[in-house]
Amino acid sequence: AQSVTQPDIHITVSEGASLELRCNYSYGATPYLFWYVQSPGQGLQLLLKYFSGDTLVQGIKGFEAEFKRSQSSFNLRKPSVHWSDAAEYFCAVAANNAGNMLTFGGGTRLMVKP
Amino acid sequence: EADIYQTPRYLVIGTGKKITLECSQTMGHDKMYWYQQDPGMELHLIHYSYGVNSTEKGDLSSESTVSRIRTEHFPLTLESARPSHTSQYLCASRDRAYTEAFFGQGTRLTVV
Repeated sequence: AQSVTQPDIHITVSEGASLELRCNYSYGATPYLFWYVQSPGQGLQLLLKYFSGDTLVQGIKGFEAEFKRSQSSFNLRKPSVHWSDAAEYFCAVAANNAGNMLTFGGGTRLMVKP
Repeated sequence: EADIYQTPRYLVIGTGKKITLECSQTMGHDKMYWYQQDPGMELHLIHYSYGVNSTEKGDLSSESTVSRIRTEHFPLTLESARPSHTSQYLCASRDRAYTEAFFGQGTRLTVV
């Protein structure tokens, strides 16, 4: 079974600074990978996804993520954080088979300082 | 914009009451899921369905039950609510194995 680890429970950055949120997964083959964002009291919104091909994927709101097979990682990045990016971010992984399930990491709470 | 809806958004109910949380999607997705999430915490899968008349328990044991009589509808029922059931419940649906899940806005349940 696959698993996901988000090592950072909380991260605080200044507005305008760059951001990197870490995600490590455990799975025997290349999985499907996702990043979601959750604002307080809301559901989850997809930021970006990776299935195959180019290992650098672009998402909404200026986010990007890079799949690194050798490091089993799928880190999320943004060059310049805005105050509205403050939220909870979840990395998720799914096995690449028909009956796959989405497994979520524990989440990283991003706080943005003015 | 994802077409998956949860009602109610907020619910405060007394101990021992029976409640049903509604989840509907208009995308024709076969796969549907219920997650439980405490504030600021990770998501735990409690139920899922691969289609009509298919329901399975997830990783986290839950006293709730689900049904899937129609493709678009996946309600979750608690026969006798307890304070330990206080949490946020998120419903999601998915089309095929290699696609993302779409989430509803969630139901925040408080049992007093």
